[in-house]
Amino acid sequence: KQEVTQIPAALSVPEGENLVLNCSFTDSAIYNLQWFRQDPGKGLTSLLLIQSSQREQTSGRLNASLDKSSGRSTLYIAASQPGDSATYLCAVNTSGSRLTFGEGTQLTVNP
Amino acid sequence: KAGVTQTPRYLIKTRGQQVTLSCSPISGHRSVSWYQQTPGQGLQFLFEYFSETQRNKGNFPGRFSGRQFSNSRSEMNVSTLELGDSALYLCASIPRLEGRAGANVLTFGAGSRLTVL
Repeated sequence: KQEVTQIPAALSVPEGENLVLNCSFTDSAIYNLQWFRQDPGKGLTSLLLIQSSQREQTSGRLNASLDKSSGRSTLYIAASQPGDSATYLCAVNTSGSRLTFGEGTQLTVNP
Repeated sequence: KAGVTQTPRYLIKTRGQQVTLSCSPISGHRSVSWYQQTPGQGLQFLFEYFSETQRNKGNFPGRFSGRQFSNSRSEMNVSTLELGDSALYLCASIPRLEGRAGANVLTFGAGSRLTVL
């Protein structure tokens, strides 16, 4: 059974700091891995998708890496801003549209 | 283009009642999947539909059911509601279900927040 773990559960940083969120998964037989953002009471916004054959993806200040063999992914956020405050979720896709999610990292960026 | 539309956004029910939630995917998308999000269990997969057929189902009791119509719109139903069914129910729209070589990019709706009293 696939399990996804995210560390840390919560993180508070001052504005402008670079930060890394971690995600690990137990079964390396994945189609892809996605990082999502969720604001309080809202749905999910897809940030980055990395296919199983890829090593990393970049979008603006965000960079996500994938090491499938070790079952790990990281989300790097450069020059953090208060607007980045949200819960970040990692999810692996192993079948169709079935995603297995981690518990998320709650990020607070202080002005 | 319009995003994923879920209705209703909020609803309150009492134990024993049933509820139906609706999801309209992005125009042209043919697959829909449903997820339940609770503080204790996090996000869990309920089921997915493609071309009006259920293709995959999560580990939920039979009280949870769904269907997809010919226009790709989907509904999910929960019967005999329990307090533990209180959750945010999220619908995701997918262009189509890809095989192993594909990348199923899910676009989520804002969700329907169900409170069971």
